[in-house]
Amino acid sequence: ETGVTQTPRHLVMGMTNKKSLKCEQHLGHNAMYWYKQSAKKPLELMFVYNFKEQTENNSVPSRFSPECPNSSHLFLHLHTLQPEDSALYLCASSHSDRGSLNTEAFFGQGTRLTVV
Amino acid sequence: AQKVTQAQTEISVVEKEDVTLDCVYETRDTTYYLFWYKQPPSGELVFLIRRNSFDEQNEISGRYSWNFQKSTSSFNFTITASQVVDSAVYFCALSENFGNEKLTFGTGTRLTIIP
Repeated sequence: ETGVTQTPRHLVMGMTNKKSLKCEQHLGHNAMYWYKQSAKKPLELMFVYNFKEQTENNSVPSRFSPECPNSSHLFLHLHTLQPEDSALYLCASSHSDRGSLNTEAFFGQGTRLTVV
Repeated sequence: AQKVTQAQTEISVVEKEDVTLDCVYETRDTTYYLFWYKQPPSGELVFLIRRNSFDEQNEISGRYSWNFQKSTSSFNFTITASQVVDSAVYFCALSENFGNEKLTFGTGTRLTIIP
């Protein structure tokens, strides 16, 4: 059983829909991440939250809106997406103590998103 | 800018053969970390190893071994006596400084072990 749980595992949505992806980690970590994995492209870091504060937004379009209400939960709110946004969205968490050695990132199983 | 290159897109070997997955990286940082992750069909990335730039000692963990060579900017991964369960996509990644907040991934190598 993974320490990082993502729901739903699969999602099909229309371009005018609004949906949210959920990530929950049970590892006591304080940093959480969203990655996008598209076919034949490297994993792309989208957002980073450290201690519930967003510390990285990797030039992600505003149709993707992250939310981190606490250190255990991370959401990705989606609206007016495009077909090219179809991908596997992976959540990860790690321990971060802001300046020293962090733990490795633990990943969830991802949400396979299809935009039609 | 950081870059990770995994030139082998797909590799197939017969079970029990040894296989090496190549990883070449580029960075201007003097301190950095290198990673390997395994992505089985279930989707999650499974952490395999992290090395820092000051430790060039090769590492062995069971059937897995890693060869880090700063002179060639490579961090290759070898599986000895491969098994069907090793079939997966393997990613090499690089991060600057201490954290993995800005992991730069390669495009991955799909490894298929033929029974």
